[in-house]
Amino acid sequence: QSVLTQPSSVSGAPGQRVTISCTGSGSNIGADFDVQWYQQFPGTAPKLLVHNDINRPSGVPDRFSGSKSGSSASLAITGLQAGDEADYYCQSYDNILSGVVFGGGTKLTVL
Amino acid sequence: EVQLEESGGGLIQPGGSLRLSCVVSGFAVSNNYLSWVRQAPGKGLEWVSAIFSGGSTEYKHSVRGRFTVSRDRSKNTVYLQMNNLRPEDTAVYYCTRDVVGAGIWYFDSWGQGTLVTVSS
Repeated sequence: QSVLTQPSSVSGAPGQRVTISCTGSGSNIGADFDVQWYQQFPGTAPKLLVHNDINRPSGVPDRFSGSKSGSSASLAITGLQAGDEADYYCQSYDNILSGVVFGGGTKLTVL
Repeated sequence: EVQLEESGGGLIQPGGSLRLSCVVSGFAVSNNYLSWVRQAPGKGLEWVSAIFSGGSTEYKHSVRGRFTVSRDRSKNTVYLQMNNLRPEDTAVYYCTRDVVGAGIWYFDSWGQGTLVTVSS
């Protein structure tokens, strides 16, 4: 059971917009700890996609955007492409567990 | 260019020990925070331990007392000593470079991972 809750899967057609939610609590996201998003393709290491809730590292397309409100965060992907098919993880810090916490991951399928 | 390369994984019996290494380039281990993050087969990501620039360490509760993270500045390498291994420790172990600040902790660079399998 992950501390942060994500849907196990989402799907969308090419060109569409999808969102992935990440729900936490008052000891992590709700305590104003920043949220990050990672993208992982099968057999490869995760890659940082969004950091500090809304910021994208250099090289990440602006089709990917993060947001946060209260104890939840979301990753939006617009103009969906076949190459976006991957697993997506949210991540934050929890001050009761005194450590980094992840969501369980969401598998994105491009129809 | 920032690079991290893990090694040392393998098949080990329950109760055994293993030491993972992470050789880094493009930055100094002594000036940065580094973590070990693992991923069990078919499962999600799980933070395991961290070593901070000042040398202090933190661990996930389930590995505290069994795992020890350390670093060698001369070799620019971070280690994870894993003792009393359990089947549930089976995972790919990634070494990461961390960005840490007030309300902030994330992983901006990752190694390719090394697989640890605990089984009899």
